[in-house]
Amino acid sequence: GAVVSQHPSWVICKSGTSVKIECRSLDFQATTMFWYRQFPKQSLMLMATSNEGSKATYEQGVEKDKFLINHASLTLSTLTVTSAHPEDSSFYICSARDLSGRGGEQFFGPGTRLTVL
Amino acid sequence: DAKTTQPTSMDCAEGRAANLPCNHSTISGNEYVYWYRQIHSQGPQYIIHGLKNNETNEMASLIITEDRKSSTLILPHATLRDTAVYYCIVLRNDMRFGAGTRLTVKP
Repeated sequence: GAVVSQHPSWVICKSGTSVKIECRSLDFQATTMFWYRQFPKQSLMLMATSNEGSKATYEQGVEKDKFLINHASLTLSTLTVTSAHPEDSSFYICSARDLSGRGGEQFFGPGTRLTVL
Repeated sequence: DAKTTQPTSMDCAEGRAANLPCNHSTISGNEYVYWYRQIHSQGPQYIIHGLKNNETNEMASLIITEDRKSSTLILPHATLRDTAVYYCIVLRNDMRFGAGTRLTVKP
């Protein structure tokens, strides 16, 4: 089946630093990738949608200058959390859409747990 | 968004069938119903999806009502490892998650 990987699986950083999270579709091409954030005991919240070769579309309330998204190839999207603060600590999950599948289903990565000290 | 409504939580005895309902009364004719589950601290796992007809795979069965306003996910023989949060999603341009149903399978 379609596999999406994320790296790193967890990261701890100091407040004020930037952190980059990678999302890769391993066995299919994904023209669209999605980034979600999940706080403890809450559901996944869509942050942004990225299309290969174009600027990401951010959901209302998500700061595009703080959460930089690059989707440079059909198999890789990156999320950079700039000047991270403790309130950015969360579980970040990406997904990729396989257009060859029925209904345009999305496949999800295993998530990256970010802890900002 | 096509909003979905699911029970907050359900319990099921190990080995019995787990039936998880979902209401999606505002679904449009060409929108698929997807089911995912999330085990603690992992990414969502795809279970099954359907449009109009009932669907079955190795994990579960999906029963969609004729008017498509509701569906039921059936895990035929629940195991302890099926304990998770189950999300019913109506797919439009992207997948937006509601609160889901926390299923607890008990010995």
